[in-house]
Amino acid sequence: AQSVTQLDSQVPVFEEAPVELRCNYSSSVSVYLFWYVQYPNQGLQLLLKYLSGSTLVKGINGFEAEFNKSQTSFHLRKPSVHISDTAEYFCAVSDGGFGNEKLTFGTGTRLTIIP
Amino acid sequence: EPEVTQTPSHQVTQMGQEVILRCVPISNHLYFYWYRQILGQKVEFLVSFYNNEISEKSEIFDDQFSVERPDGSNFTLKIRSTKLEDSAMYFCASSESGAIYNEQFFGPGTRLTVL
Repeated sequence: AQSVTQLDSQVPVFEEAPVELRCNYSSSVSVYLFWYVQYPNQGLQLLLKYLSGSTLVKGINGFEAEFNKSQTSFHLRKPSVHISDTAEYFCAVSDGGFGNEKLTFGTGTRLTIIP
Repeated sequence: EPEVTQTPSHQVTQMGQEVILRCVPISNHLYFYWYRQILGQKVEFLVSFYNNEISEKSEIFDDQFSVERPDGSNFTLKIRSTKLEDSAMYFCASSESGAIYNEQFFGPGTRLTVL
């Protein structure tokens, strides 16, 4: 069985400061990793995903994440945050079976940007 | 830009009543999903649906739940006799195919409150 742990439920960050949102996973098979963002009153939107290849993945809105197999982590980073980044961020994992790519999510991290 | 829509945005019902949550997936998508998030907990997979039948369902998706694609556009989740513990945010998602490289697009969610 696969699972995802997001240790930080809330992360306050000053505007233009860097941020890292932590995600650790466990999976017994090949793993595919995702970060989704949810802005207020909107659906989950894909930020980035790791399927294979380079362990450093770049996504939308200046976010990036690094897949670290030895540490079973997929932390999300942004070098300089903006007010518009205030949202809930979800890490997710899938074992990638065709037609069966259900996502297993973490509990989410609420990112609050302080002006 | 095409998007997944869900109605209603908020549904309040009495315990034991039936509810139907509606979703309109993106028009050329073939795979459909329901997830839910109980307040403060993880987003959980409920069911995936393809070619008018369930592909996979979780342990949560018991006999009280059913899904249907009644026409060419809607995808519904029915809860026959709601319980207090069914109170949650329900997300619908769709993807073009069952391959892991195809993004799941999520709707904004329906908040179900069972009294």
